[in-house]
Amino acid sequence: SQTIHQWPATLVQPVGSPLSLECTVEGTSNPNLYWYRQAAGRGLQLLFYSVGIGQISSEVPQNLSASRPQDRQFILSSKKLLLSDSGFYLCACSTGHLTNYGYTFGSGTRLTVV
Amino acid sequence: LAKTTQPISMDSYEGQEVNITCSHNNIATNDYITWYQQFPSQGPRFIIQGYKTKVTNEVASLFIPADRKSSTLSLPRVSLSDTAVYYCLVGGNFNKFYFGSGTKLNVKP
Repeated sequence: SQTIHQWPATLVQPVGSPLSLECTVEGTSNPNLYWYRQAAGRGLQLLFYSVGIGQISSEVPQNLSASRPQDRQFILSSKKLLLSDSGFYLCACSTGHLTNYGYTFGSGTRLTVV
Repeated sequence: LAKTTQPISMDSYEGQEVNITCSHNNIATNDYITWYQQFPSQGPRFIIQGYKTKVTNEVASLFIPADRKSSTLSLPRVSLSDTAVYYCLVGGNFNKFYFGSGTKLNVKP
């Protein structure tokens, strides 16, 4: 089964500062990778997904970007954070088929932009 | 893309059976239905998955009628630790999945 490592667990950043969140996957190869964001008390919003190295699809226009430099590494970045970027960021992976238990999620990063 | 609709919240008491229904009227032939549980500040965790009829595992049952336009997650004898948000997820494009708003279950003593 897949395991997702996501760090840091919490992060406080000033407005205008850069961001880099990293996610790595173990236990599978060529996974589909996803970044979700969850605002306080809200559901999960799909931000980016990737089906392979260098392949990134964006779901929501924003000042965030994602990259996949290696098969099992997914990075979420921003050049200048906004207050509205605060939230709980989750990395997830799947084998590309909803059978086989769908997603595996990481433990998340709580980002507070001040 | 199959959109899901769930109740926003539900209350229950310890020891009761809880049934949470999800509506997915435009589910596609190849779609599966998966339920996740999420505790605060944690990633969602897989509960159960099914395609049709009934599926049961050690923590829940999933009932899916013949038309597959809805599904019901059944949690037997809930405890305080079952207080969480429950998401119904229906497979659409195999490369990306969308979560609905979820159902916040509050179990009272």
